[in-house]
Amino acid sequence: GAGVSQSPSNKVTEKGKDVELRCDPISGHTALYWYRQSLGQGLEFLIYFQGNSAPDKSGLPSDRFSAERTGGSVSTLTIQRTQQEDSAVYLCASSLGGEFGGYTFGSGTRLTVV
Amino acid sequence: GESVGLHLPTLSVQEGDNSIINCAYSNSASDYFIWYKQESGKGPQFIIDIRSNMDKRQGQRVTVLLNKTVKHLSLQIAATQPGDSAVYFCAEIDPGANSKLTFGKGITLSVRP
Repeated sequence: GAGVSQSPSNKVTEKGKDVELRCDPISGHTALYWYRQSLGQGLEFLIYFQGNSAPDKSGLPSDRFSAERTGGSVSTLTIQRTQQEDSAVYLCASSLGGEFGGYTFGSGTRLTVV
Repeated sequence: GESVGLHLPTLSVQEGDNSIINCAYSNSASDYFIWYKQESGKGPQFIIDIRSNMDKRQGQRVTVLLNKTVKHLSLQIAATQPGDSAVYFCAEIDPGANSKLTFGKGITLSVRP
């Protein structure tokens, strides 16, 4: 597609349930990022995929969070046993990588844990 | 640890005035910097970028200045318009960190009519 697509756009889930958030990057983009943004806050880095390199998972806040990228394209962020503090907007971005700019963001998934 | 941060959390300007948004970074290894604009309910949008071998770059109504000596980045918006109201983030890339994109905290620009 023309841009980065994220789904769902909104998700309300009960505490303790698992959720999956999806990101469809721009075709051909080798780099893919997940960020988390709490209300009125900056972007918290979660995980970074770059080509065939091992993903940089250094930003994942706990082992309840995991992400995969299948076939170098679509990525899924999974949050297990959701907690209220997981409520935030989860943003995905893709790029050609490195200094080639073009880091394009999706509109995010707003997750609310009740 | 290394971080990218902003000096001011909010900035209020009169429509038509020029705006200057500042950003301090601490990673001397970063060699590429980007400014993003985020409107309510949307993802961040690219505004302008600059490489470390430059100290100034101009776009349409926007200018980015880079001072590597003091690790300072600024975004200047000329003739600020109501549509410029948004949160602005600076971001940096460290090629030694697999070119990971790191964001600053963000500053809200509010334009008074």
